[in-house]
Amino acid sequence: TQLLEQSPQFLSIQEGENLTVYCNSSSVFSSLQWYRQEPGEGPVLLVTVVTGGEVKKLKRLTFQFGDARKDSSLHITAAQPGDTGLYLCAGGWGNTPLVFGKGTRLSVIA
Amino acid sequence: GAVVSQHPSWVICKSGTSVKIECRSLDFQATTMFWYRQFPKQSLMLMATSNEGSKATYEQGVEKDKFLINHASLTLSTLTVTSAHPEDSSFYICSATAKREEYNEQFFGPGTRLTVL
Repeated sequence: TQLLEQSPQFLSIQEGENLTVYCNSSSVFSSLQWYRQEPGEGPVLLVTVVTGGEVKKLKRLTFQFGDARKDSSLHITAAQPGDTGLYLCAGGWGNTPLVFGKGTRLSVIA
Repeated sequence: GAVVSQHPSWVICKSGTSVKIECRSLDFQATTMFWYRQFPKQSLMLMATSNEGSKATYEQGVEKDKFLINHASLTLSTLTVTSAHPEDSSFYICSATAKREEYNEQFFGPGTRLTVL
């Protein structure tokens, strides 16, 4: 059973478009982290959200944690080719291993 | 953010040899480190949890005698792939846990590409 469902799995858009990636679960997490991974490299932490309803912004990226702390979304405004990569959400409880979604592979075409 | 390094970044070895991969947390202490394996175009697959000073906890289906993990200090964990075979070829990534006030964050190393001939 996949605890974290990420959607869409693949997304190909034109430069300048907006997009949203969703991460949903039936489980409550104490924290949720978003990572971006480029080919041949390790995932890079973008943000950690811990409070239900929390919204965090990182330049053109907006992250939201659901009120019940079961879901999260990542919204990218005016996507650029440099945003291309694999976006992973991961839920955690304390010191236990993160539970990862399957990832969203984003391709932004110039 | 916290920095995690991995060495080597890539390695090519002959079938039957052993390969050691190091994972270091450079600017923080990590009581817990994790080892992942990633196949092309897939998400991360957790192999084991490495706790400083104690035995690693392996995920179901991961052979502990095949993938030896040692967490000798708060900044170093090693993964040794013993008697490597071509099917062990993969991208191996470690992560280290940094404790925050209310939660823990995991930071990943850059990964090690293992190719077994």
